[in-house]
Amino acid sequence: LAKTTQPISMDSYEGQEVNITCSHNNIATNDYITWYQQFPSQGPRFIIQGYKTKVTNEVASLFIPADRKSSTLSLPRVSLSDTAVYYCLVVADSNYQLIWGAGTKLIIKP
Amino acid sequence: DTGVSQDPRHKITKRGQNVTFRCDPISEHNRLYWYRQTLGQGPEFLTYFQNEAQLEKSRLLSDRFSAERPKGSFSTLEIQRTEQGDSAMYLCASSPPRDGGGINEKLFFGSGTQLSVL
Repeated sequence: LAKTTQPISMDSYEGQEVNITCSHNNIATNDYITWYQQFPSQGPRFIIQGYKTKVTNEVASLFIPADRKSSTLSLPRVSLSDTAVYYCLVVADSNYQLIWGAGTKLIIKP
Repeated sequence: DTGVSQDPRHKITKRGQNVTFRCDPISEHNRLYWYRQTLGQGPEFLTYFQNEAQLEKSRLLSDRFSAERPKGSFSTLEIQRTEQGDSAMYLCASSPPRDGGGINEKLFFGSGTQLSVL
């Protein structure tokens, strides 16, 4: 199971772009990279998933370099409501036991 | 709202008592997961169902924990003889059938059941 490493915490300000990088050095060929967001007292919420290059949706962008050993979640123009914990996971087709790290606690300041 | 529903939201119990939690997944989702989460940590996998079949169970899971999913719809998680170390948020998630192509493991989580064992 590929392990992920991401910063424990980050601070930013409203209106800024925030980039959270995740390292997954032993990612396998069939693994996908998935990010979730979690607010206090709620379950995690799916943000974005990708395999390579760049994926964009209405919430975020995900950048994955060619070697796929890392990925960067980009949140454009953050607001106070983006304060949450963000989890990076590597998802394998044959594995249902998703391994969750402690995530990155993002704090947005006014 | 047709999201994942968990009941109760909060449960306070005394050590040694049994507790049962219920999860109602999104109706067309055939896969269901239970996770446990403690403060400051990510969710920890407990068990996984595909329809009514329990396909995986964490090796770390004590035999005091049991889960069922009769008829492949709602699921229950029971903890017998609760211990203070069982205090945590218990999360249920569901996901739709694989679409036959690449992986699309997108989990939909409920709001969890917060268990406090005194």
